[in-house]
Amino acid sequence: AQRVTQPEKLLSVFKGAPVELKCNYSYSGSPELFWYVQYSRQRLQLLLRHISRESIKGFTADLNKGETSFHLKKPFAQEEDSAMYYCALKGSSNTGKLIFGQGTTLQVKP
Amino acid sequence: DTEVTQTPKHLVMGMTNKKSLKCEQHMGHRAMYWYKQKAKKPPELMFVYSYEKLSINESVPSRFSPECPNSSLLNLHLHALQPEDSALYLCASSQDPGRSTQYFGPGTRLTVL
Repeated sequence: AQRVTQPEKLLSVFKGAPVELKCNYSYSGSPELFWYVQYSRQRLQLLLRHISRESIKGFTADLNKGETSFHLKKPFAQEEDSAMYYCALKGSSNTGKLIFGQGTTLQVKP
Repeated sequence: DTEVTQTPKHLVMGMTNKKSLKCEQHMGHRAMYWYKQKAKKPPELMFVYSYEKLSINESVPSRFSPECPNSSLLNLHLHALQPEDSALYLCASSQDPGRSTQYFGPGTRLTVL
């Protein structure tokens, strides 16, 4: 079964602290993985996709096939990073179906 | 134009009303999607249109009826909705339904009285 698990509903850190948002997936083929972010009252925005291997707003994520994980990391959190973060998986079929995790709210305190 | 737009932003309707949600993109994307999002929950896929044809219906009740008049437009027709259908309805598009990124609109906040 295709599934995305984000074990933390809420992650609260102080400004300047490192951040790691966890994402584990279950998929038998070669998944394509994404991180989306939803700031308060704003649209869902793409943050990262694993195949591009780029860093956006200081965030990085590495696909670990052995551990079936795609954790999102940032070395120094900023208050403006406070938002809801969703990890999402797209399978290798051409259906376009995107499976989201339950989301993690990141709260960065001053 | 690099955005997905949705109208209206907010909609309040009674259970006997008929209304429509609209979504538009001018990025040349050939796949368009409808999602439903409840508060503090992830988006749930409802429908996928691929090259203007319905390719996925995630067992959505018939009171929701999608329509894709052309490659830039996607509608969601609503009829006889229930209060539990109140949610944020998101439209998204991607270059194709395969391995490409989905871009989301701002959503329509629907309240069913």
